[in-house]
Order: sequence, then C-alpha cells, then structure tokens
Amino acid sequence: DVKVTQSSRYLVKRTGEKVFLECVQDMDHENMFWYRQDPGLGLRLIYFSYDVKMKEKGDIPEGYSVSREKKERFSLILESASTNQTSMYLCASTQGAVTGNEQFFGPGTRLTVL
Amino acid sequence: GQNIDQPTEMTATEGAIVQINCTYQTSGFNGLFWYQQHAGEAPTFLSYNVLDGLEEKGRFSSFLSRSKGYSYLLLKELQMKDSASYLCAVFGAGSYQLTFGKGTKLSVIP
Repeated sequence: DVKVTQSSRYLVKRTGEKVFLECVQDMDHENMFWYRQDPGLGLRLIYFSYDVKMKEKGDIPEGYSVSREKKERFSLILESASTNQTSMYLCASTQGAVTGNEQFFGPGTRLTVL
Repeated sequence: GQNIDQPTEMTATEGAIVQINCTYQTSGFNGLFWYQQHAGEAPTFLSYNVLDGLEEKGRFSSFLSRSKGYSYLLLKELQMKDSASYLCAVFGAGSYQLTFGKGTKLSVIP
C-alpha cells in the first residue's frame, strides 16, 4: 500500500516564525503536491512538484515556498507565518502522468498560527 | 478558469440510495475524480471517469456526461459509515492541477 506521511498532525506556531512541513512517500512517485483545506473553500493547491528540484505554483503560492531535494520528500515552508495561514495542510503524491492517476493523501497537518 | 459546483450538505437514511451531483466548467477536460473524506482524515479515492457513462464499484457508482459538464456519485444501501464529505475534482486539459469542488457533507441517519 502507498503510504504518505506528514511530520506532524498538529502544530502551533507564532506569527513571524519560519515553519517547515515535511511530507514523505514510500512508493517512488514522481509527483507530489501540497494543498490547504479550509471550511467553505475546499482543497486548494499551493505547489506541486513533478520531479526532484522541479516545482510549479498552484492557485495560492503566496507566502509559501517548497523544496524537493529527494524524490520521496516534499517540504512546504512558511517563510514568516501569519494568522491567515492557520489551516489544514495536506500532502499528496501520484505516479506517472498526473492526469488519470489517483492522488494519495497524507493524514494532514493542522497548523495554528497565533 | 475552473468552476466546480456541488451541494454543501445532504442527509439520507440508512439503507437508502443517495445521489450527489457535481457540475463543472473547465478549460477543456481530462478526467473527473470522486474522493471520500471522513472528518479529520485524509481524502481517499473513490472513482475516476474520463469517458461518458457509468462506472460501478460495489455500492458506489459514478456517472459522467462531458457534453453537460455533469457528474454524479451514487451511493446505494447507505451505511452509517458513509457519513463523510464527498469531493468532486476535475483535471482541465493540459493541466497538472486537479481542481476540487468545496465538497458535499453527507449525513446518514438511522
């Protein structure tokens, strides 16, 4: 079974802190994604990566950056956390062509920024 | 741009059948997914449609009409554990990006 893991289930940070969210998948998937999920807004794509060191902006990249140094690991970085980044963050991965293949999601990290 | 609409909430009775609709307007079309998400958990894959018609998988079926920009998820013999949010998601043509609807929260009552 594909397994996507995220470093923390719950995280509390202060405004202005630099925050790292880590995601690891164990099935050699080429493509990895970071989403945030907010009530009434659904899942929105922040960034995705289709190969090591490659990244593309999604719908809402502002205030975020990403890093993919190894195929299995995709990190989301909040350079200076703000209260409006309080959200559930979900990582996902998929193999091969992005279209037509299901995305496997991690359990999520609920981030609270105070 | 992409626009996906689905009802916000639905309620149905245990043992019944429920249909959750999804309409979409996208720049081209390259497939539609349905995911199930229980409260506090990750979304899990239910179905994928790229051609018109009905795909059946046990108690769950998904239908697609590309000309109408319309899909539905049909759940039969509802069980209490089917209480969850159901997410419709679409790939536009030439896009890496899966666009999600806001989800439909289904409550199954005894």
